[in-house]
Amino acid sequence: AQSVTQLDSQVPVFEEAPVELRCNYSSSVSVYLFWYVQYPNQGLQLLLKYLSGSTLVKGINGFEAEFNKSQTSFHLRKPSVHISDTAEYFCAVTEKTSYDKVIFGPGTSLSVIP
Amino acid sequence: EAGVAQSPRYKIIEKRQSVAFWCNPISGHATLYWYQQILGQGPKLLIQFQNNGVVDDSQLPKDRFSAERLKGVDSTLKIQPAKLEDSAVYLCASSLTGTSGNTIYFGEGSWLTVV
Repeated sequence: AQSVTQLDSQVPVFEEAPVELRCNYSSSVSVYLFWYVQYPNQGLQLLLKYLSGSTLVKGINGFEAEFNKSQTSFHLRKPSVHISDTAEYFCAVTEKTSYDKVIFGPGTSLSVIP
Repeated sequence: EAGVAQSPRYKIIEKRQSVAFWCNPISGHATLYWYQQILGQGPKLLIQFQNNGVVDDSQLPKDRFSAERLKGVDSTLKIQPAKLEDSAVYLCASSLTGTSGNTIYFGEGSWLTVV
């Protein structure tokens, strides 16, 4: 069964600085990978996803992520963060089986400091 | 396009009482999910429906939790009797087909506090 690890539970960063949120996964088969964001008191929404093709994926709000199969990683990056990026970020994985069972990581809380 | 609707948004009950949550997915979405999100943790899949059939309920505590999706549209999640550890946000989500990496769309959640 697949699993997801997010090594950093909390990441504080100053406004306009770059940020990387780390995600590693475990699976015995091919996977799809996702990053979701959850703003305070809101539901989760998709930032970006990797299905196939180019390993560099661009998403909304200036975020991007790179799939690294050999390291089983899917780290999320943004070159310059804004106060509005303060939120909880979840990495998720689903195995390419007959149906999509999406498993989420524990989340990383990003706090942008003015 | 209307999103995933959930109700009630907030519920406080005493332990051993029962509670039910309702979800209306995005129109045309065949797959419906219920997740439990405990404070400070990631969402945990409780049950996944494909149309009105269950494709995964391996993490659903079946002695107290039940869910149904009649006619392949709306769904209800019931907890009876509730325990203190059931305090969490219950997230309903839907996707177009449940295959091929379709995006999952989430509702705003139903917050449950068991006292």
